[in-house]
Amino acid sequence: GAVVSQHPSWVICKSGTSVKIECRSLDFQATTMFWYRQFPKQSLMLMATSNEGSKATYEQGVEKDKFLINHASLTLSTLTVTSAHPEDSSFYICSARDPGLAGGTAYEQYFGPGTRLTVT
Amino acid sequence: GENVEQHPSTLSVQEGDSAVIKCTYSDSASNYFPWYKQELGKRPQLIIDIRSNVGEKKDQRIAVTLNKTAKHFSLHITETQPEDSAVYFCAASKGGSYIPTFGRGTSLIVHP
Repeated sequence: GAVVSQHPSWVICKSGTSVKIECRSLDFQATTMFWYRQFPKQSLMLMATSNEGSKATYEQGVEKDKFLINHASLTLSTLTVTSAHPEDSSFYICSARDPGLAGGTAYEQYFGPGTRLTVT
Repeated sequence: GENVEQHPSTLSVQEGDSAVIKCTYSDSASNYFPWYKQELGKRPQLIIDIRSNVGEKKDQRIAVTLNKTAKHFSLHITETQPEDSAVYFCAASKGGSYIPTFGRGTSLIVHP
């Protein structure tokens, strides 16, 4: 249980275009999902917290107009990188928690497989 | 906000040796400390976690210890195997949001 998928797994786009990444919780409903960015050989940097039915909460320094997050259902959150630039090239990972888990494990995060974005 | 320091950044051991990775945190309110293993190009996977009401937790070859007073926690891997080679991240979070703050990661290399 508690499986999170992401699509696509990798994408190459040209500068100036927009790219949408989907994050789905496959076997549970996630009221909250998280979006991370990871540069090579570096840690996971939280970009934003995505809440179903409301606006995302962005971390300091993350441009909300550039990284659009939509959490329209309990199983789907999307991240759209708008007007992409080469410096946006990175590994984007989403995660979700399963609030329905018993035994005090509801705060455990389940990560998606990540999306490798390359902007040329 | 929370700040998590992780050491070492790289750890190289021989197969069968033990490996220890250490983390410190700054927010005394943090009460949940997970450890993740990430293989190259793959998702982080939770390998063990500990809550602040426990000082030590063990799962086969992996153990985690927590010293709340000193605000540090450590991952111990015994009898290391080549498949343990990966990047390990510690994290700290607290009640309410439980949004983790990650350490910078430790690249563990186990030589056969």
